[in-house]
Amino acid sequence: QVQLVESGGGLVKPGGSLRLSCAASGFTFSNYYMSWIRQAPGKGLEWLSYISSGSTYMNNADSLRGRFTISRDNAKNSLYLQMNNLRAEDTAIYYCASGRYYLDYWGQGTLVTVSS
Amino acid sequence: QSALTQPRSVSGSPGQSVTISCTGTSSDVGGFNYVSWYQQHPGKVPKLMIFDVSKRPSGVPDRFSGSKSGNTASLTISGLQAEDEADYYCSSYAGDQGVFGGGTKLTVL
Repeated sequence: QVQLVESGGGLVKPGGSLRLSCAASGFTFSNYYMSWIRQAPGKGLEWLSYISSGSTYMNNADSLRGRFTISRDNAKNSLYLQMNNLRAEDTAIYYCASGRYYLDYWGQGTLVTVSS
Repeated sequence: QSALTQPRSVSGSPGQSVTISCTGTSSDVGGFNYVSWYQQHPGKVPKLMIFDVSKRPSGVPDRFSGSKSGNTASLTISGLQAEDEADYYCSSYAGDQGVFGGGTKLTVL
């Protein structure tokens, strides 16, 4: 069955960086667009970024102002999110999901806490 | 990209129907037939319920239906059941980006 497992979250100081990973299995990862979404505590969902199957096309939410970079390694069935210059408002559960126009499979999420 | 507008809460009794609206603009909901809906129970992962405005993934009961008129999409749940109580989020493609609604809490009375 389809499985997406995020990792790399944790506690980081403001201004710091983190790299999230998402390990995919149970489907042909290299054929699918992939996305990152986050959910701040007690808040709604926020779309962050997506990347095409062959990494030729990607885009971020305007609100990120270039601080986050999505990438993937199809040989490793893995998706990544490099997050730089983190702020307190980036505190959230970060989900990876398959798809672009709709998100059909989701990981369990990894918690990122930005605090001094 | 501004968030899509959803009512904060809706409610209904078991067996009734409820409709959740999702209002955007011609740059998102009105411009593309790529509206999707997600159900999220407390502490759980969001689950895709509707995609491409009105299509249901395998396994989603046909009590859930989606539609769109102009810049507003709607999710209708008929024959309301206790397990439908959850948060519901709409989402739309918005020309190179995605956008979610603020979420609607459905209470089954």
